[in-house]
Amino acid sequence: ETGVTQTPRHLVMGMTNKKSLKCEQHLGHNAMYWYKQSAKKPLELMFVYSLEERVENNSVPSRFSPECPNSSHLFLHLHTLQPEDSALYLCASSLALLGPPYGYTFGSGTRLTVV
Amino acid sequence: AQTVTQSQPEMSVQEAETVTLSCTYDTSESDYYLFWYKQPPSRQMILVIRQEAYKQQNATENRFSVNFQKAAKSFSLKISDSQLGDAAMYFCAYLHSGNTPLVFGKGTRLSVIA
Repeated sequence: ETGVTQTPRHLVMGMTNKKSLKCEQHLGHNAMYWYKQSAKKPLELMFVYSLEERVENNSVPSRFSPECPNSSHLFLHLHTLQPEDSALYLCASSLALLGPPYGYTFGSGTRLTVV
Repeated sequence: AQTVTQSQPEMSVQEAETVTLSCTYDTSESDYYLFWYKQPPSRQMILVIRQEAYKQQNATENRFSVNFQKAAKSFSLKISDSQLGDAAMYFCAYLHSGNTPLVFGKGTRLSVIA
């Protein structure tokens, strides 16, 4: 474990379901991120939260809804997904805004399959 | 917008040999940071090495070193004495500052042959 924990590790959901992905870090970081990793595509940045405020939303469909209740927790709420949303969803955190960036710390991801 | 290009989708290396993974990037900034991440089958992205653009000296971490050519916008990763545990996807990434997100290349899958 690197300090960023994602649950669940695997999720299979129907297109009409509602589910949530959870990410937790206790590294003292102040920024958290959701990335989507699909086969043969670069990692796609979905959302950025810095100091608990959403600072970036890369034209992600509204069926994905992020929530950052505090600096340690990040959620991705899912509803009425499409099969093309099947992917590995990675959460990351960093210590942003304070000095040189040292890169991100990633979780192990949630493998999502939409059926 | 910044882009990162990894031109080698797959590479292989014999155990104990040396391999170099290529990465080029495009930016108009003069101050930025470059990273190599490793993603083994466990899926966790692990930071391998980090380079600050204002530093001319190439970063080194044990068997991992980079060849940073700022003018050419090139940032290759050299793995010496390759081990079976080095087999993974390797991603090159660019970061302008702490306020901007990390931008990744498509990755290179490295196989290590015993």
